[in-house]
Amino acid sequence: EDKVVQSPLSLVVHEGDTVTLNCSYEVTNFRSLLWYKQEKKAPTFLFMLTSSGIEKKSGRLSSILDKKELFSILNITATQTGDSAVYLCAVENYGQNFVFGPGTRLSVLP
Amino acid sequence: SAVISQKPSRDICQRGTSLTIQCQVDSQVTMMFWYRQQPGQSLTLIATANQGSEATYESGFVIDKFPISRPNLTFSTLTVSNMSPEDSSIYLCSVLAGITDTQYFGPGTRLTVL
Repeated sequence: EDKVVQSPLSLVVHEGDTVTLNCSYEVTNFRSLLWYKQEKKAPTFLFMLTSSGIEKKSGRLSSILDKKELFSILNITATQTGDSAVYLCAVENYGQNFVFGPGTRLSVLP
Repeated sequence: SAVISQKPSRDICQRGTSLTIQCQVDSQVTMMFWYRQQPGQSLTLIATANQGSEATYESGFVIDKFPISRPNLTFSTLTVSNMSPEDSSIYLCSVLAGITDTQYFGPGTRLTVL
């Protein structure tokens, strides 16, 4: 059965810290892995990863995929209180469409 | 946790027709959401469907175009009416469940409108 596991499920840090969020998956017919940030009603797209070893960056956020070991990490450097959110990892496959992980709830304290 | 299934998983439809997407949850939940996902874009919330009341639509979405039913606490349908190619997207059902109100997503319905 396809599944996506995220760790940790929750994390509390202070402003300025660097965090690493983990996402591992077991899916058939892998197509892409996506990271989202959810603060309110609708998750905001962050990254889509399809190839191993190629880091994607956007400001203080970066992500990389390892298709051999079946995982991805999302790094956030110099965290700010505005980074507080639930970070969702989802894997898109050719058959079932999407499999979402449970999310990591990040709290950044001032 | 909550396990969500959607039907159909994908469909190809003709312009002007309508498609009803079903969402089934394995436990009773109060809040169900319908989203649209276009490639490389954020999920867009279409509406919130609560049992026993009218669905609440987000800006840009109307009931005539996206009628929603929520007959009980485990099931909902979203209809995409009078479809056009711009409606081609993945439609996702989601619920809040558990003590911590974790959000769970269905696998999505991949719709292509010709």
